[in-house]
Amino acid sequence: GAGVSQTPSNKVTEKGKYVELRCDPISGHTALYWYRQSLGQGPEFLIYFQGTGAADDSGLPNDRFFAVRPEGSVSTLKIQRTERGDSAVYLCASSQGAGVRAQYFGPGTRLTVL
Amino acid sequence: GDSVTQMEGPVTLSEEAFLTINCTYTATGYPSLFWYVQYPGEGLQLLLKATKADDKGSNKGFEATYRKETTSFHLEKGSVQVSDSAVYFCALREAGGTSYGKLTFGQGTILTVHP
Repeated sequence: GAGVSQTPSNKVTEKGKYVELRCDPISGHTALYWYRQSLGQGPEFLIYFQGTGAADDSGLPNDRFFAVRPEGSVSTLKIQRTERGDSAVYLCASSQGAGVRAQYFGPGTRLTVL
Repeated sequence: GDSVTQMEGPVTLSEEAFLTINCTYTATGYPSLFWYVQYPGEGLQLLLKATKADDKGSNKGFEATYRKETTSFHLEKGSVQVSDSAVYFCALREAGGTSYGKLTFGQGTILTVHP
């Protein structure tokens, strides 16, 4: 079956612009996670959804970052007033419920802020 | 807070050599432990996991044992292949609370295997 998909695969934007990154989880997976991976580092947790609600958004770095999952499936990560330090690969993962279930990762969106 | 520390890389080995990648962690409670692998041009894949002390996770010839007394989860393989060249990430998941499900990753170790 289809895995987690993310679009776009690459996004180049200018400092100060707004961007949206999309994640399509595996069908039927209720839990969805966003992580950010900077060059040479491991992924860092941003936010976790269980269904439509954000159960844990403690990893969002500041109020320029926001994520939604209005129908409990597709999620969009939104970044306002982008800064050069936001450049990273943004990873999405989904699982069949939270906790002990394995997380399946998408290929990521590489964001470059010029 | 929780943290994971991996041995610094990169690691370069010849085919059929023995591999060890060290991983230690700091966590409250009893986390689950994971190794993820990222092959060139591909997304993160779960390699193996262990959910309680003394559990051994294994897959594709790789093994790791959850050692609570040393807070370690070292990855080993007896004979590496060129196809094992990838970036390896150690990770933990807290046992409960509001972060239930959140993974905390180490910084990754690049493995290159030469023929």
